[in-house]
Amino acid sequence: AQSVSQHNHHVILSEAASLELGCNYSYGGTVNLFWYVQYPGQHLQLLLKYFSGDPLVKGIKGFEAEFIKSKFSFNLRKPSVQWSDTAEYFCAVKTRDSNYQLIWGAGTKLIIKP
Amino acid sequence: KAGVTQTPRYLIKTRGQQVTLSCSPISGHRSVSWYQQTPGQGLQFLFEYFSETQRNKGNFPGRFSGRQFSNSRSEMNVSTLELGDSALYLCASSLRSGLADNEQFFGPGTRLTVL
Repeated sequence: AQSVSQHNHHVILSEAASLELGCNYSYGGTVNLFWYVQYPGQHLQLLLKYFSGDPLVKGIKGFEAEFIKSKFSFNLRKPSVQWSDTAEYFCAVKTRDSNYQLIWGAGTKLIIKP
Repeated sequence: KAGVTQTPRYLIKTRGQQVTLSCSPISGHRSVSWYQQTPGQGLQFLFEYFSETQRNKGNFPGRFSGRQFSNSRSEMNVSTLELGDSALYLCASSLRSGLADNEQFFGPGTRLTVL
């Protein structure tokens, strides 16, 4: 069965620190990959997505993610975090076998200390 | 353009009761998907409706059902509520269905508490 793993459930960083959130998926075929963010009290919103082409994708608010096919990974990065990045981050994947429905990771709660 | 709206935002019910949640998609969007979000299980797909037809269904018992109207608004119903149904129920709308590049836009959710 297809699945998405986010290894860190809680991450605490200080402002200006660099961020990397891990995401691995289990599926041997073509994947479409997403990172969503849920700020406190707000809707889930799309940060970035990968469908094909350049494996390094850039999203909103300075976030980027790299698709490494050989590692089945799609890690999210940001060189310098801000207090406003405090949120929960979800990795998700769509495949043909999932009928292009999103399969979600468990989420990572990120707290940035001012 | 107005976003996805969900009503009610909060709901408290008791075991055995039933509940109906409503979702109005973004104007022009014809696909509505429902998700259950809990601290233990994360986000789990319930079902998707497109043009009034259920297109996909997740692994939830038959107590969970839904429908979509001709104006694309959708409702989901949970009958015979159990304590474990307490969750945030999210609705997402998109233009189309069954495509990889089909972006979903999420509503604020309905927080259901079952006592």
